[in-house]
Amino acid sequence: AQSVTQLDSHVSVSEGTPVLLRCNYSSSYSPSLFWYVQHPNKGLQLLLKYTSAATLVKGINGFEAEFKKSETSFHLTKPSAHMSDAAEYFCVVRLAGSARQLTFGSGTQLTVLP
Amino acid sequence: EAGVAQSPRYKIIEKRQSVAFWCNPISGHATLYWYQQILGQGPKLLIQFQNNGVVDDSQLPKDRFSAERLKGVDSTLKIQPAKLEDSAVYLCASSSNSGTRGSYEQYFGPGTRLTVT
Repeated sequence: AQSVTQLDSHVSVSEGTPVLLRCNYSSSYSPSLFWYVQHPNKGLQLLLKYTSAATLVKGINGFEAEFKKSETSFHLTKPSAHMSDAAEYFCVVRLAGSARQLTFGSGTQLTVLP
Repeated sequence: EAGVAQSPRYKIIEKRQSVAFWCNPISGHATLYWYQQILGQGPKLLIQFQNNGVVDDSQLPKDRFSAERLKGVDSTLKIQPAKLEDSAVYLCASSSNSGTRGSYEQYFGPGTRLTVT
């Protein structure tokens, strides 16, 4: 079975400081991993994805994530937080095989303080 | 390119009533998904369609939930009768069948927020 664990349900940072949202995965196969963001009353938006190419993945809005097989981690980072980054972030694993189904973590709520 | 459309955006019903949600995927997307997102949790897949056929409905509570995609384009999800625990956001997503392995990106609609009282 494949799953993801988001280690923090809430993260609070000050504007201009670095962001770190942690995610560990469990997979029997080489996984495809994603980070999605959900702003209030808006649909989920793909931030970035890892699909067995480069282990450091760059996404939109200055976010990036590094796939570390030895640590089974896929943490999301950003050098400098902006007020508009405040949202819910989901780490997601895609099931192997043709179904292409996504399994979501429980989410991390990011608060950005002025 | 127009995104995934869903309606209504909000719905309040009493328990034991019925409700239906509608989704129109991105044009040309063969795969359509319905998710349930309970407050404080990540979305959970309810059902997946490939064109007008069901690929997986293993997590759909079939005693009260039903879904169809008759012409392989838009889809409806129905709950009858609703229970209090069905209060959630119902998300629709779609993806195409093209692209390299692992790049079947799912595009999500804004969701329908259901409150059952």
